[in-house]
Amino acid sequence: DAMVIQNPRYQVTQFGKPVTLSCSQTLNHNVMYWYQQKSSQAPKLLFHYYDKDFNNEADTPDNFQSRRPNTSFCFLDIRSPGLGDAAMYLCATSRDQAGSYNEQFFGPGTRLTVL
Amino acid sequence: AQKVTQAQTEISVVEKEDVTLDCVYETRDTTYYLFWYKQPPSGELVFLIRRNSFDEQNEISGRYSWNFQKSTSSFNFTITASQVVDSAVYFCALSGDFPNFGNEKLTFGTGTRLTIIP
Repeated sequence: DAMVIQNPRYQVTQFGKPVTLSCSQTLNHNVMYWYQQKSSQAPKLLFHYYDKDFNNEADTPDNFQSRRPNTSFCFLDIRSPGLGDAAMYLCATSRDQAGSYNEQFFGPGTRLTVL
Repeated sequence: AQKVTQAQTEISVVEKEDVTLDCVYETRDTTYYLFWYKQPPSGELVFLIRRNSFDEQNEISGRYSWNFQKSTSSFNFTITASQVVDSAVYFCALSGDFPNFGNEKLTFGTGTRLTIIP
């Protein structure tokens, strides 16, 4: 089945130690999104890629970076995780197709713990 | 700016009762989309419904129904004969018009945690 895959599902890192979360998709969608969801809060968009074009939300901290080496994969890099970065990170994809609404499909998320 | 308000933080009902989750939105767009997502304890956001601003017909899907009223900027979600498997956090969300890319970004409400008591 076509889907959005996130690995790992659970990630533990140490304060200040760089960490990378990965997302892959078999939907062949050209748009990929990263959301941060803290406990009991709504998902918050960090950035998205439209093909190779990177779009950063204005309030996304510089500590967060992203890479999209090809259509299928997208990575979220946290350069120096702080305790406040502990959250669920959700990846989503959508297909940009003129004339129709482009629904977002979400992966299962990676829950990041910072010690 | 877009905003979604889910005033009910937590709701608990006994199994088989009906329950309505409220959603109120704000937008300046004339064309927009409204969504409901379910987030079970596993964490994945599960898409339930999309409604565009030109379609105010209520929709029913099994035990789920949605009431969209532009006059009150509300998009409420009702579960009839609730079941324990309905326990989850439910998010209402809003996005702008297409095909202007960027307007499809989702603005989520803060969610309503629904607990169905056996």
